Amino acid sequence: QVQLVESGGGLVKPGGSLRLSCAASGFTFSDYYMSWIRQAPGKGLEWVSYISSSGSTIYYADSVKGRFTISRDNAKNSLYLQMNSLRAEDTAVYYCARDIAAAGIVYYFDYWGQGTLVTVSS
Amino acid sequence: SYELTQPPSVSVSPGQTARITCSGDALPKQYAYWYQQKPGQAPVLVIYKDSERPSGIPERFSGSSSGTTVTLTISGVQAEDEADYYCQSADSSGTYLVFGGGTKLTVL
Repeated sequence: QVQLVESGGGLVKPGGSLRLSCAASGFTFSDYYMSWIRQAPGKGLEWVSYISSSGSTIYYADSVKGRFTISRDNAKNSLYLQMNSLRAEDTAVYYCARDIAAAGIVYYFDYWGQGTLVTVSS
Repeated sequence: SYELTQPPSVSVSPGQTARITCSGDALPKQYAYWYQQKPGQAPVLVIYKDSERPSGIPERFSGSSSGTTVTLTISGVQAEDEADYYCQSADSSGTYLVFGGGTKLTVL
C-alpha cells in the first residue's frame, strides 16, 4: 500500500534552515509528481510546492519562493524540501503528498503522509 | 493571488443533509476537489473532479458544480462525519494550487 513518511521537522530559530524528507513506498515513485503542503497550527491547508516526476518542472507558492527548494531522488524514492531563511509564519505541519497530474498539470493529491512539525521560534 | 471561499462552519443534526459551498472565479474552468480532515489526522480525499467519489468513500458524499460555486453534499450525516472539509482547485492557468479556508462541520 502507498506510504509516505515525513521526517526532519523540529525547532529552528528565525533565519535558520531545515531540510525535510519524505520516504515513499508502495508505488512507482518515479512515475508521480509530488507536493509539499503545510498547515499552520489551528489554520487551513496551504500548498507549498510541487515537482514533476523527473524533477524538471517545479513550482512554488509565492509565500516560499526564493527561500524553499523542492527536490527528489528517484533512486532513493525520496522527496525533499530545503527551507532557508525561516520565519515564524513558516511554523506548520508539513505534509508530503502524491499528486495526480496529467500533461504537466497537477490536479489533486490522492495520498498524504502524516506530516512533520516545523516550529520557527527564538 | 487566487482564493477559494468557504463558510467557516456548518452545523447539522444527525440524519440531515449538510451542504458546504466553495466559491472561486476559476471554478468554471478548473475542477474542484474535496478533502476531509479529522483532528490530528492527514486530509483524506472524498470528492475529485467536482463530483467523482474515490473508492472507499461512502455514497452519502457527493459533489456538484454550478458556475463559480462548487458544493459538497453529505446526505444522512453521521456523527463520524464531524470534521474539517477543504475544497481545492487551481488558478486559471492550472499552475498554482489553492485550498479554501476550510469549513468545520459540526454534527449536533
